[in-house]
Amino acid sequence: SQKIEQNSEALNIQEGKTATLTCNYTNYSPAYLQWYRQDPGRGPVFLLLIRENEKEKRKERLKVTFDTTLKQSLFHITASQPADSATYLCALGLDAGKSTFGDGTTLTVKP
Amino acid sequence: GAVVSQHPSRVICKSGTSVKIECRSLDFQATTMFWYRQFPKQSLMLMATSNEGSKATYEQGVEKDKFLINHASLTLSTLTVTSAHPEDSSFYICSAFYHPSGQETQYFGPGTRLLVL
Repeated sequence: SQKIEQNSEALNIQEGKTATLTCNYTNYSPAYLQWYRQDPGRGPVFLLLIRENEKEKRKERLKVTFDTTLKQSLFHITASQPADSATYLCALGLDAGKSTFGDGTTLTVKP
Repeated sequence: GAVVSQHPSRVICKSGTSVKIECRSLDFQATTMFWYRQFPKQSLMLMATSNEGSKATYEQGVEKDKFLINHASLTLSTLTVTSAHPEDSSFYICSAFYHPSGQETQYFGPGTRLLVL
């Protein structure tokens, strides 16, 4: 069956450290993968998109890797700050613009 | 970046009434919009794909007669929850598909919190 798994529901780290979030999937062949941030009671906000033929993408303190052999994406936030505390969702890009979402990982960055 | 708005942001209604939620793309035209539902501590579940000028495509298990979708223009899609019941209480989020320079991206609205009493 098709499945998307994000590591641990919750991740707690100290300010200044690098947060690493994992997204694994089975029985999907996504053309691309996206990461979103969602704050409580708000809609998701797009962060990064990485295509199946790209290994890595960066944007400021964010880095995403995509390994289609392992069927895994890693999402890194370097020099983390308390303001980075939120739920992070990975989404697989499928046909016609549809995306299917993981359950999310709630990151808490402690000062 | 592209902006998507939703109205209302929060609605409380009595069981049996209908509620309409609007989703607008403010600075771009969206031929495709998506409607999601999100229960507490769960991820977004796609309900339907709304295509401008044609009928919506519903995901398996979503009742099309209960969740009416209309995409009358390139900037507006509406979701009407008909004869709402308490189990329909949820967070409804729309998104618009936007692909500038080949970067397929969904931009999400802020969501509508529906509470059915």
